[in-house]
Amino acid sequence: AQSVTQLGSHVSVSEGALVLLRCNYSSSVPPYLFWYVQYPNQGLQLLLKYTSAATLVKGINGFEAEFKKSETSFHLTKPSAHMSDAAEYFCAVSNFGNEKLTFGTGTRLTIIP
Amino acid sequence: DSGVTQTPKHLITATGQRVTLRCSPRSGDLSVYWYQQSLDQGLQFLIQYYNGEERAKGNILERFSAQQFPDLHSELNLSSLELGDSALYFCASSRTTGIETQYFGPGTRLLVL
Repeated sequence: AQSVTQLGSHVSVSEGALVLLRCNYSSSVPPYLFWYVQYPNQGLQLLLKYTSAATLVKGINGFEAEFKKSETSFHLTKPSAHMSDAAEYFCAVSNFGNEKLTFGTGTRLTIIP
Repeated sequence: DSGVTQTPKHLITATGQRVTLRCSPRSGDLSVYWYQQSLDQGLQFLIQYYNGEERAKGNILERFSAQQFPDLHSELNLSSLELGDSALYFCASSRTTGIETQYFGPGTRLLVL
């Protein structure tokens, strides 16, 4: 079985501040991990994915995430928040041979001007 | 624009009715996934098809069924609808199986009254 826990259903940061969205996973086999973003009234867009290559993964829009096996974490960061980053962010896990995505409950990111 | 199209965008119907949601995957993609997003259940995997064959099943109710046609488009059929079936239904597609990026459509918002 696999699962994902996203700590903090709502996160607010000031424009220009660091963005940190937390994700912890549980998986009995090596996981593949994803971050997706959902803007209002839109579908999900892939930000980045970890598939057992480099542990530091760079994605679109300046986001990156680091896979830490010892902490079972895959936190999403961005050095400087922009107003356009306001959206809902979902962490997801899958594994080889089982491609379905298991999503966390999501974190709504608000940017304060 | 992910290249995945879903119709209709919105659907309002009554309890007990039956509806069909349609998905056209990105050109060349063989795998289609259906997900349900609701306030109480979050984002949940329903079912996956690969090149016309069912490949994986998630938390899909017996009242729900899906198929993938020879032209690779997919339909999700929801019958004997209940109030609790009101949700956003997403289709996603990927090139093949394995850990390929899943590209999501804009979703169909279903409201059961």
